[in-house]
Amino acid sequence: KQEVTQIPAALSVPEGENLVLNCSFTDSAIYNLQWFRQDPGKGLTSLLLIQSSQREQTSGRLNASLDKSSGRSTLYIAASQPGDSATYLCAVPNGETSGSRLTFGEGTQLTVNP
Amino acid sequence: GAVVSQHPSWVICKSGTSVKIECRSLDFQATTMFWYRQFPKQSLMLMATSNEGSKATYEQGVEKDKFLINHASLTLSTLTVTSAHPEDSSFYICSARSGWRRWTTQYFGPGTRLLVL
Repeated sequence: KQEVTQIPAALSVPEGENLVLNCSFTDSAIYNLQWFRQDPGKGLTSLLLIQSSQREQTSGRLNASLDKSSGRSTLYIAASQPGDSATYLCAVPNGETSGSRLTFGEGTQLTVNP
Repeated sequence: GAVVSQHPSWVICKSGTSVKIECRSLDFQATTMFWYRQFPKQSLMLMATSNEGSKATYEQGVEKDKFLINHASLTLSTLTVTSAHPEDSSFYICSARSGWRRWTTQYFGPGTRLLVL
């Protein structure tokens, strides 16, 4: 059974800092890995999707890397801003079916202080 | 990007009543929709997967007779919580994907907060 772990559970940083969020998964046979953002009481916003054949993806100040063999992914946020405050979730699809059910990590709650 | 809506956004009901939550894909056809539940301070847990025109597949431990899922069209799936109890109070989120490719991303709805008194 796939298990996804995120470290740290919570992170508080001053504005402007570069930071790294970590995600690890137990079964390296994944098709892709996705990072999401969730604001309090809201749904999920997809940030980055990395295919298993890729090593990283970039979108603006966000950069996500994937190391399948070690079962790890990192989300790098450059020059953090208060608006980045949210919970960040990583997820991997599991199963061979086309449904690709997602297994989520517990999330990292990020607070960026002005 | 693709938009998924949910209705209602929040609902309060008495114990024993049934509550229906709608999930709609607004600008694409969703061959597959997923229903998740999220308890406070916890991550999302998949409840069931529904493919248009067929019966939903429930995850282990999820009672299919309690959580009725209907995916009658390519743009609408409904989750009905039957005879709701306080322990069913949670944040319910749906997602939708178009097509059958594994690498196709899922688009998430804004969630529905259910409070059962």
